Parts: sequence; C-alpha cells; structure tokens
Amino acid sequence: QKEVEQNSGPLSVPEGAIASLNCTYSDRGSQSFFWYRQYSGKSPELIMFIYSNGDKEDGRFTAQLNKASQYVSLLIRDSQPSDSATYLCAVNGAAGRRALTFGSGTRLQVQP
Amino acid sequence: GAGVSQSPSNKVTEKGKDVELRCDPISGHTALYWYRQSLGQGLEFLIYFQGNSAPDKSGLPSDRFSAERTGGSVSTLTIQRTQQEDSAVYLCASSLSTGLAGNEQFFGPGTRLTVL
Repeated sequence: QKEVEQNSGPLSVPEGAIASLNCTYSDRGSQSFFWYRQYSGKSPELIMFIYSNGDKEDGRFTAQLNKASQYVSLLIRDSQPSDSATYLCAVNGAAGRRALTFGSGTRLQVQP
Repeated sequence: GAGVSQSPSNKVTEKGKDVELRCDPISGHTALYWYRQSLGQGLEFLIYFQGNSAPDKSGLPSDRFSAERTGGSVSTLTIQRTQQEDSAVYLCASSLSTGLAGNEQFFGPGTRLTVL
C-alpha cells in the first residue's frame, strides 16, 4: 500500500464546475497536509495546507481533512482552463520526519 | 521577496562524471529539502537540513549521493559517478521551520539532470 494515494485521472470537468480531488494516507501520525499544483515542465506550487480536521477555504479552493478516515480533499470552485494541471497531495509525518511524502498526483483537465 | 533559486537549470553529463547542484533557499528559512522527480514518477525525498541539526539523509538512494549546507543557507547536492538512472529533475525546497506552524515548503524551479 502506498503511503499517499491519489487517483491519477485525468479528471475532466467543464469550465465553471467544481473539481473534487481526493487523497488518502496511511500514517496515522501525520500532522500536516498540503496540496501542490504542478504545471507540465514546472515545479510544484503550494496552493493549500491544512492541519486540523474540517474545512479550510482560500478563494476558490477548499481543503478538507478527516483524520479519522485518513482522508484529505481539495475542492476547486468555478474551475477555469488555467486550473488544468497535476495536483499533488503531500503529507508531513509525525514529529521527527518533516520531509513530505507525495502522492503520484491527479491530472485535472478543465474543458472550456 | 525572492523565492528558492537553483542552478544550473539544466545539466547534461556523461555517465561516470560527478555533478554538483546548487540551491539557495528563501532568506530566513531554516529548513532546506532536496527531492527528485523522475519522468512519470512521483516526488521522492532525498535529504533535509534543519538549522544546525544533523541532516536527515534517509532518502538518499546510494552513497554516491551527498549534500552539504554551508552557513545555514546555500546547499549543494553532489552526485558522484553518475548513472543513467540518476536522470531526473532535482528539486530543492525550503520552509521557515519544521514546527507545525511554518513548515510549508516552497519549491525552487529545479535542475533537470540528464546522464548520457
């Protein structure tokens, strides 16, 4: 079992719709959770982070965390073609292991 | 302010040669991380430095890989006797700290290494 799992996609949504990206993780001691966006040929760009159970909103993005289910998700409202990218879920482990463990990413395609 | 910078942006080398990759973290960031991303692969942790503590080298794939961080700032990743499987994009990231608050990692543009 991979430590961080994501559906590779592609996830295709029409412009203006809500895109829902999901991620599960195996380490129950994980404390912080990150979503990165990566355009082809570019490095990852941090778009959201969350530490506590529940929802965290920032503009069109909402991160959701459920530690009991070991599940973290990212919602993108009013999706735009410029949101088309690979979205990487990353998990920062228990104290003493601060390196990020990444999922393999979900490719999102927003159709105009 | 300035983000993480890396040099060179591209490096082509011959199998068996040594290479050095450089990373300049965001000013004031105490933690620095190296990852690599191979074609079609996820991001793989290599090593990280936090302040004056001993680095966490648990992700280094072999003893051909080493890294140092001088003066708590700039870091150099060295790959000795490069092999074709070392071809990848090497990414550096930095964070303000490694505590729960401030451990968000920001990535540099990467160095694309090609070993012929």
